[in-house]
Amino acid sequence: DIQMTQSPSSLSASIGDTVTVTCQASQGIHNFLNWYQHKPGNAPKLLIFDASNLERGVPSRFSGSGSGTDFALTITNLQPEDVATYYCQQFGTLHLTFGGGTKVEL
Amino acid sequence: EVQLLESGGGLVQPGGSLRLSCAVSGFDFRNYWMHWVRQAPGKGLVWVAHISEDGTNTTYADSVKGHFAVSRDNARNTLYLQMNSVRVEDTAVYYCARDVRSSLDVWGPGTTVTVSS
Repeated sequence: DIQMTQSPSSLSASIGDTVTVTCQASQGIHNFLNWYQHKPGNAPKLLIFDASNLERGVPSRFSGSGSGTDFALTITNLQPEDVATYYCQQFGTLHLTFGGGTKVEL
Repeated sequence: EVQLLESGGGLVQPGGSLRLSCAVSGFDFRNYWMHWVRQAPGKGLVWVAHISEDGTNTTYADSVKGHFAVSRDNARNTLYLQMNSVRVEDTAVYYCARDVRSSLDVWGPGTTVTVSS
């Protein structure tokens, strides 16, 4: 299976900051990568698909980049409602895999 | 409104069985691949299994292959996960999710499975 390594595992930031989460695949996956936001007690929410495409209804302060093995999720102008855990997920093979998650706190 | 709602979770003894259901509404269920994803206490999201639109193709994570089975009833708009020979490490919140171009665009709220004696 393709392994996804996310970093950092947690971070603390302030309102208005720009935050970047990275995800590295154990082998090249083109742009077959999605990003999710997960708040405790809630269902995970799709933010970015195909590495850089913003899901409908997601604020434009979220953006994704990368291809091959290295990817990033950037949150500009961090808001209180962005406190959550963020996961990358690859679909380069039929066995989907998620990164370990990045907990974003204020 | 597109909705997914899992049910069937609970407490089960090691070695026991449980069947989870995911009832869907608001979209044409028979046109979508579907997935199960789980989250153990204090851990991250882990993909479990997926099933094709007509149920003929299924794929499983190595950790559940041979003791979980995913199925669907398109007439009842329901996805299932049959969990057999459960282990303590199967304790988790189980989510069903809809697949659109291999992204999981809609998720249910989850159902909790606890494996304990």
